[in-house]
Amino acid sequence: DTGVSQDPRHKITKRGQNVTFRCDPISEHNRLYWYRQTLGQGPEFLTYFQNEAQLEKSRLLSDRFSAERPKGSFSTLEIQRTEQGDSAMYLCASTPGGRERYEQYFGPGTRLTVT
Amino acid sequence: GDSVTQMEGPVTLSEEAFLTINCTYTATGYPSLFWYVQYPGEGLQLLLKATKADDKGSNKGFEATYRKETTSFHLEKGSVQVSDSAVYFCALLRYNTDKLIFGTGTRLQVFP
Repeated sequence: DTGVSQDPRHKITKRGQNVTFRCDPISEHNRLYWYRQTLGQGPEFLTYFQNEAQLEKSRLLSDRFSAERPKGSFSTLEIQRTEQGDSAMYLCASTPGGRERYEQYFGPGTRLTVT
Repeated sequence: GDSVTQMEGPVTLSEEAFLTINCTYTATGYPSLFWYVQYPGEGLQLLLKATKADDKGSNKGFEATYRKETTSFHLEKGSVQVSDSAVYFCALLRYNTDKLIFGTGTRLQVFP
């Protein structure tokens, strides 16, 4: 399978704990995106990378959230001191550059539950 | 700011019925428009897209036409199948940005 992969698929954590999610984009896709989807809503943009550079961050991304893409391949999203309001599906997407950058390919998501 | 508005679901249809899911948008400039589909237990998949006014996107029997004058991108299918049951998201991408803006999604349930 050469699609976008995310790990873990499910995470249950207690409030106040730190969690980290990983996303592996489609090989050679230089753009990588993170979105958050809460129940009954559409995905909301969090941040995106071109290669290893983080180019944009949403206001939704508080200082408890940090994302990295150290070698321009996989990316991690860390949430520190989790809160119940962080419970959501975290989606990763990737695109190639150039004219094809408009088509974003999504992974299956990581469902986070904060108890 | 930019936004997408979709009709609320669920939309419940019998097999072979005609489907329309309404989508309207607000955006500056000329965005690209998309329909994504999310089948149960799966990730979002791009269903179709249109990048300029009057373009028609089509895939798997689904169609949507980019209507600039009504700022709409309604999804249609002439004859739905049980396997089309899923959540459908309309989305836009403004020309000078890279972030998709999604509607809230419309659940489609098709019964035999």
